[in-house]
Amino acid sequence: NAGVMQNPRHLVRRRGQEARLRCSPMKGHSHVYWYRQLPEEGLKFMVYLQKENIIDESGMPKERFSAEFPKEGPSILRIQQVVRGDSAAYFCASSPERSHGSSYEQYFGPGTRLTVT
Amino acid sequence: DAKTTQPPSMDCAEGRAANLPCNHSTISGNEYVYWYRQIHSQGPQYIIHGLKNNETNEMASLIITEDRKSSTLILPHATLRDTAVYYCIVRVLFGNQFYFGTGTSLTVIP
Repeated sequence: NAGVMQNPRHLVRRRGQEARLRCSPMKGHSHVYWYRQLPEEGLKFMVYLQKENIIDESGMPKERFSAEFPKEGPSILRIQQVVRGDSAAYFCASSPERSHGSSYEQYFGPGTRLTVT
Repeated sequence: DAKTTQPPSMDCAEGRAANLPCNHSTISGNEYVYWYRQIHSQGPQYIIHGLKNNETNEMASLIITEDRKSSTLILPHATLRDTAVYYCIVRVLFGNQFYFGTGTSLTVIP
């Protein structure tokens, strides 16, 4: 059973360009979460999605950032007009359908390291 | 935000037990204690979680005090590959997110 997959693993963008980060959840998982980790800091929650729905985007910056999880295909985190401060590692996690009795931990992917030059 | 307190760093001799403490004095009745670790900027790895009973799996043991205000993660026989940042997190079972604080940086020494 493949784990959470993210691509690309490394992404370099110039200031003002767009960055698209992809996340394929574990098989059978319908919940996706995006986190950002700045250098020397812990992970910070950005957004939680289910198929075709954004459930919680309380951690998303108000501008330039968007996320989607379409019915078919991977979840996409999109950053428009990137700035140097967007340089970070972006991690995706997935979890199965919520049900009482399940442990409901989140499984994380290897991350995408975005560098803005 | 993070509701836990952990020491910033610890050392442990290879082959010995590593005991990582965590204080969560404001934990509420429906919040679980989760432990994750992050090895050298890889994605965080789930270790174990519990509510009030002690838990054990193939990776570690989790000891939660009776008043649930603190817990200890035990790696019974630490290896060099256990060198990582360990995060203690409290969260309701169906919460939307994990709050990762700064964790404990564990270094296993040969």
